[in-house]
Amino acid sequence: GNSVTQMEGPVTLSEEAFLTINCTYTATGYPSLFWYVQYPGEGLQLLLKATKADDKGSNKGFEATYRKETTSFHLEKGSVQVSDSAVYFCALSRTSNTGKLIFGQGTTLQVKP
Amino acid sequence: GAGVSQTPSNKVTEKGKYVELRCDPISGHTALYWYRQSLGQGPEFLIYFQGTGAADDSGLPNDRFFAVRPEGSVSTLKIQRTERGDSAVYLCASSLQGGKNTEAFFGQGTRLTVV
Repeated sequence: GNSVTQMEGPVTLSEEAFLTINCTYTATGYPSLFWYVQYPGEGLQLLLKATKADDKGSNKGFEATYRKETTSFHLEKGSVQVSDSAVYFCALSRTSNTGKLIFGQGTTLQVKP
Repeated sequence: GAGVSQTPSNKVTEKGKYVELRCDPISGHTALYWYRQSLGQGPEFLIYFQGTGAADDSGLPNDRFFAVRPEGSVSTLKIQRTERGDSAVYLCASSLQGGKNTEAFFGQGTRLTVV
């Protein structure tokens, strides 16, 4: 079946450190891939997406590249800030006529000053 | 409205009772989704509406769960004979038209606690 696996958290970093959150997926066909973020006290919001192989999604200094050969969509940021502290969810959407999302379990990021 | 609105934000109910959770999507969004999120887990899909019809209800766990969207806007998730295992955050999302490339906009959720 279709699934998403994320690295377990929590991830604790110092401000300005480099961030990688690993995400791998299992899916038939050609899914679209997403990173959603949930800041404390807020709802889930889209961070970035990629809809085909080798696409790179980017937003707010975060990047992720759709790697079909390794079935991965790792999230990276060169220099994290305290305000990036949140829970990050990797997700895929495979069904073209619905858009329902399959999420990973989430990775908590805590950035310390 | 500015975003997806869910009410109530918190609901505590006794085992065996009936509950209704409401979702008001972004105006003009034809696609509406319900998800359930247990503690420490990612959201799990429950049901998808396109307009007034439930186009995919494959995620509903059993027949105690039912959802409606009679006018293609507001949706209500209904849970009968609640059980302690139903305790979770229920999330609603909407998107402009559905489809696998579309951004979904989420509400803040309803935290349901069954005691």
